[in-house]
Amino acid sequence: GQSLEQPSEVTAVEGAIVQINCTYQTSGFYGLSWYQQHDGGAPTFLSYNGLDGLEETGRFSSFLSRSDSYGYLLLQELQMKDSASYFCAVEDSGYSTLTFGKGTMLLVSP
Amino acid sequence: SQTIHQWPATLVQPVGSPLSLECTVEGTSNPNLYWYRQAAGRGLQLLFYSVGIGQISSEVPQNLSASRPQDRQFILSSKKLLLSDSGFYLCALSEGGRANEQFFGPGTRLTVL
Repeated sequence: GQSLEQPSEVTAVEGAIVQINCTYQTSGFYGLSWYQQHDGGAPTFLSYNGLDGLEETGRFSSFLSRSDSYGYLLLQELQMKDSASYFCAVEDSGYSTLTFGKGTMLLVSP
Repeated sequence: SQTIHQWPATLVQPVGSPLSLECTVEGTSNPNLYWYRQAAGRGLQLLFYSVGIGQISSEVPQNLSASRPQDRQFILSSKKLLLSDSGFYLCALSEGGRANEQFFGPGTRLTVL
């Protein structure tokens, strides 16, 4: 089976940098994805790491270390609109499904 | 680009009543389709997924069922709803046979009373 651990809540101020960690235990692993979900809305895809290292997309970056079963999402120059829940998700060995973590609620204050 | 339609946006149903939620997609062919349920303040629980017409895989034993009668249509059903079926139901798709990047529909918020 799959299990993922991420903090339940993180707080930060506008303009700051925040890192949301995700550790996983899986029977098969092909990659780590990150999703953002605003309150009441649907999740939206942010990034995917299939290989070790850093992937950068604008203000957001994601990192993966397969040997440590660990990844993180880095959000820079935080804005109020970044207040949302962020989910890490593991792609299973059959490429067919994702297992999601329980999510981290990010609260950005002025 | 892909578009996912789900309706209704909100639904209130009594315990023991039937349920049918429909998801239709546009702008893609032969996608993988998924049904998720999200309880308030919780993560996403995968209920069913489908890699093609008539092909359904169930992830969690429950009183729900799913069908895929057409390539771009995915239906979630129940004969008798339970209180525990309340939640936010999300339909999603992925392309190219991969699951890593999924696109989600707007969801249906179901309350069972």
